[in-house]
Amino acid sequence: SFELTQPPSVSVSPGQTARITCSGDALPKQYANWYQQKPGQAPVVVICKDTERPSGIPERFSGSSSGTTVTLTISGVQAEDEADYYCQSADSSGTWVFGGGTKLTVL
Amino acid sequence: QITLKESGPTLVRPTQTLTLTCTISGFSLSTSEVGVGWIRQPPGKALEWLALIYWDDDKRYSPSLKSRLTITRDTSKNQVVLTMTNMDPVDTATYYCAHRALGVRGVGSWFDPWGQGTLVTVSS
Repeated sequence: SFELTQPPSVSVSPGQTARITCSGDALPKQYANWYQQKPGQAPVVVICKDTERPSGIPERFSGSSSGTTVTLTISGVQAEDEADYYCQSADSSGTWVFGGGTKLTVL
Repeated sequence: QITLKESGPTLVRPTQTLTLTCTISGFSLSTSEVGVGWIRQPPGKALEWLALIYWDDDKRYSPSLKSRLTITRDTSKNQVVLTMTNMDPVDTATYYCAHRALGVRGVGSWFDPWGQGTLVTVSS
């Protein structure tokens, strides 16, 4: 089974750029998605298919992919962006997997 | 508007079987390409994918939990049911069901939207 690895935490000041990485051997062949989860709430997708932003998601959220790593970038971070972020992908057999999550702290 | 809602027991005894129901609206379980998944999250921990069922009754399970999980659908009731056998305190978690969204021309998939989740506690 494949795994996705994320840093446990990232901290940024308001207005700065936050970058959260997700690494996995399958990522060059499989799309990754990113979810935002605020305390007590269900996750919400913020980036799908590595780089696409669903409707309703602010433009400051973007995604990129390079080799075995995908990156979620939040430009001009706002206090409301403080949350847990999870990457997710699936392998060729249809097994889905989530990363361990990254807690974004806005200082 | 697509919505999903989980229901089931809030407390389960160790060794018992858990049965959770996901009631959907805004889409049909028999429509081509539709999928519904289950995901859980222990308190303070990460999301864990459990299972997914597709419109054609194809099913996928987490390899680590496959022996304990069964996912089924009832298209007439618009429900997806997950059963997990031999429950243990480590299975205490919020259990979510979610709609599998598809990209253009069926390329790429993700979970959107999610249900609100239901907390299941395993304790004697």
